[in-house]
Amino acid sequence: DGGITQSPKYLFRKEGQNVTLSCEQNLNHDAMYWYRQDPGQGLRLIYYSQIVNDFQKGDIAEGYSVSREKKESFPLTVTSAQKNPTAFYLCASSLLGETEAFFGQGTRLTVV
Amino acid sequence: DAKTTQPPSMDCAEGRAANLPCNHSTISGNEYVYWYRQIHSQGPQYIIHGLKNNETNEMASLIITEDRKSSTLILPHATLRDTAVYYCIVRVWYGGATNKLIFGTGTLLAVQP
Repeated sequence: DGGITQSPKYLFRKEGQNVTLSCEQNLNHDAMYWYRQDPGQGLRLIYYSQIVNDFQKGDIAEGYSVSREKKESFPLTVTSAQKNPTAFYLCASSLLGETEAFFGQGTRLTVV
Repeated sequence: DAKTTQPPSMDCAEGRAANLPCNHSTISGNEYVYWYRQIHSQGPQYIIHGLKNNETNEMASLIITEDRKSSTLILPHATLRDTAVYYCIVRVWYGGATNKLIFGTGTLLAVQP
């Protein structure tokens, strides 16, 4: 089955530690995105990438880093510089152009 | 990308049509209107999109006004499983380049039994 997979579903980390969230897709999509969602809020764009080895900052990139070494994978690292890392993180992918984006089921990160 | 405005919440009786409005008064000619929905604690799901003409698929219908400044998503026979937050988004395709999906806070649709 084609799809986009995020792992793990729940993640707990101690304050000050970096943590990497996984996002893999087998849809052969060029574009991939990371969003953050806080309770009762909409989604905010962190980073996006339209091609391997290239990515752009979204609206709230500070404290986050990404890589795109393979078309299928777009991991997000939440660094210790991110002041409020506890949130629901969503990864998405799409073909380039006028088309829909497919979302993973999200990773809920809790930093204590 | 143009900004969208949606009511924060709406109720609908099960089996009736749900009509969700969206204002996008600053939309430009090459911006598409997209609708997604998010069931609690899941990833958003694509519903439908359009540019100028009304569109229909197995999930919903999208009605875009002639001046394109507003649109309405119609769920013809709402069920309890349609309870979700519905997001209206406008999105530009820059011809070969990808573009950002910018989400607002959406409309929480509560379908009542």
